[in-house]
Amino acid sequence: DTGVSQDPRHKITKRGQNVTFRCDPISEHNRLYWYRQTLGQGPEFLTYFQNEAQLEKSRLLSDRFSAERPKGSFSTLEIQRTEQGDSAMYLCASSFTDDRGLGGTIYFGEGSWLTVV
Amino acid sequence: AQTVTQSQPEMSVQEAETVTLSCTYDTSESNYYLFWYKQPPSRQMILVIRQEAYKQQNATENRFSVNFQKAAKSFSLKISDSQLGDTAMYFCASAQGAAGNKLTFGGGTRVLVKP
Repeated sequence: DTGVSQDPRHKITKRGQNVTFRCDPISEHNRLYWYRQTLGQGPEFLTYFQNEAQLEKSRLLSDRFSAERPKGSFSTLEIQRTEQGDSAMYLCASSFTDDRGLGGTIYFGEGSWLTVV
Repeated sequence: AQTVTQSQPEMSVQEAETVTLSCTYDTSESNYYLFWYKQPPSRQMILVIRQEAYKQQNATENRFSVNFQKAAKSFSLKISDSQLGDTAMYFCASAQGAAGNKLTFGGGTRVLVKP
């Protein structure tokens, strides 16, 4: 069990540029989540996948944000035309949920810090 | 919709003493789960303890225990025999319906353990 890994850990980009973050969940986990956390605040839910299906998206996820999990394994979160307000840490997490919807503990990665200048 | 509120932005405690963190929540679901997560300065969120709403018995994990008051919608965390490694942000969170559903977090409480 190597844990949830995220890449890159830090990204500095200029306003207007596109950025992409990658998340590799724990290998047997079928659920994958993205959260956003700003300094001094609790994480806010963005979206989650059950295998390759994106089951829920937060209203926080504007049209500039897109997430994919094409083969039900790793996931990418892309932010287009970045704005300074996008500066935050983007957390990925994963869990295993059975056919009845009963889920286990959600495990988090170390996060990807985004700074938009 | 769920809400989770942590009213204490910061708390400090002497090593070996006990500290209690407060959390209140609101949910329309009858089946839900409550969690305390720890986020040390290295930033990775770690689960400390979890409580199923249908269980009356308070959860305990070694030095960590909760006081779950369902009617009052209160879920406090007690850290006993505090250690320097307990210094971190602590987040209270809830999930509706099942433990693997999306989490709603409170704003966090910063705990500083002093030697």
